[in-house]
Amino acid sequence: AQTVTQSQPEMSVQEAETVTLSCTYDTSESDYYLFWYKQPPSRQMILVIRQEAYKQQNATENRFSVNFQKAAKSFSLKISDSQLGDAAMYFCAAGTYNTDKLIFGTGTRLQVFP
Amino acid sequence: EAQVTQNPRYLITVTGKKLTVTCSQNMNHEYMSWYRQDPGLGLRQIYYSMNVEVTDKGDVPEGYKVSRKEKRNFPLILESPSPNQTSLYFCASSSQWPGGNQPQHFGDGTRLSIL
Repeated sequence: AQTVTQSQPEMSVQEAETVTLSCTYDTSESDYYLFWYKQPPSRQMILVIRQEAYKQQNATENRFSVNFQKAAKSFSLKISDSQLGDAAMYFCAAGTYNTDKLIFGTGTRLQVFP
Repeated sequence: EAQVTQNPRYLITVTGKKLTVTCSQNMNHEYMSWYRQDPGLGLRQIYYSMNVEVTDKGDVPEGYKVSRKEKRNFPLILESPSPNQTSLYFCASSSQWPGGNQPQHFGDGTRLSIL
């Protein structure tokens, strides 16, 4: 069975600092994609970044980057130069070619302090 | 504008009163899905549809029904709602399977309260 684990229910960071959110996953598939979604208080689900498992290079989107450790099945999200608008719930998710679903973690609530 | 539209956004109702949450997408997407979000549990898939007239159960299908008569619409039906179905519901769509290169587009969510 495919599982996604986020072990940090809550995290906090000061504005302009860097924070890393952890995610581990378990799958027996060789082809899969990993995602980070952001859910601000407005409840929208916003795709932050995605990583193809076959790519060794870590994905980057502006201030957001991932540390993808395939052997360790780890997929952490680093937010640099944190901004107040980054405060949200963050969900890690995984999907494979052989299943028709996306599996989500339980989420990490990020607070950003001025 | 490309979007997934859910209605209603909020609903308070009573046990046993049938309700339908509508979902419509304007992107001609093949794949549509319903999730429920509960504190501490993340998002869990209820049902999904790979195409018109093709639906399948997700991880938590009990108490729910869906239909896909048209490509753009994927309503979620609660025939006899119970309090344990109080939750935040999301509809999502994508051009291919959700774990692929094309990301899912989510609706704005429907907050359901069953008394």
